[in-house]
Amino acid sequence: NAGVTQTPKFQVLKTGQSMTLQCAQDMNHEYMSWYRQDPGMGLRLIHYSVGAGITDQGEVPNGYNVSRSTTEDFPLRLLSAAPSQTSVYFCASSGFWTGETQYFGPGTRLLVL
Amino acid sequence: KQEVTQIPAALSVPEGENLVLNCSFTDSAIYNLQWFRQDPGKGLTSLLLIQSSQREQTSGRLNASLDKSSGRSTLYIAASQPGDSATYLCAVSQGGSEKLVFGKGTKLTVNP
Repeated sequence: NAGVTQTPKFQVLKTGQSMTLQCAQDMNHEYMSWYRQDPGMGLRLIHYSVGAGITDQGEVPNGYNVSRSTTEDFPLRLLSAAPSQTSVYFCASSGFWTGETQYFGPGTRLLVL
Repeated sequence: KQEVTQIPAALSVPEGENLVLNCSFTDSAIYNLQWFRQDPGKGLTSLLLIQSSQREQTSGRLNASLDKSSGRSTLYIAASQPGDSATYLCAVSQGGSEKLVFGKGTKLTVNP
């Protein structure tokens, strides 16, 4: 099992550009989430999903879109990048039948200029 | 709004020492609590998960306790080793494990 994978590992964007951060898991987990980690702020929930076709907002959803068309994939879209979105982004998954332990991906470092 | 606090923010100890990391949360209506480890530049690794109905969980040299009524959890690390050096994060969920609220972490340094 690869676990939770994220691409790209690092990305530089210009203000106003859009991009999609990819996240995939091969553990058949129902639950998937996106967090951002900023110095002094800790990890904060952006969006989450409890199954294919079902998504909801977390604490800091503005400027981001998500969709979940399959159990395996949960992409995060930045609509119009802003410097305030410079951060490290983590995708996580968990499943009821695996004790609901959260498995995290390695992260994507995003720099918006 | 749930808030999670971890004290201390940083801790430096000599190898072999037993230590305790603290986590407190403001709303006792939690679903579960998890402790994670994060190495520099890496993702998070789950160490222990305690369901709201449980009092403690153990894994090797790690023991985590939960006192839901007082809004506190502790992570006990026995016989610390330099390889334990990392940031330790506490997180609670209220509606399900897909929605975690994190503390800011305790950065642990174990000196040889």
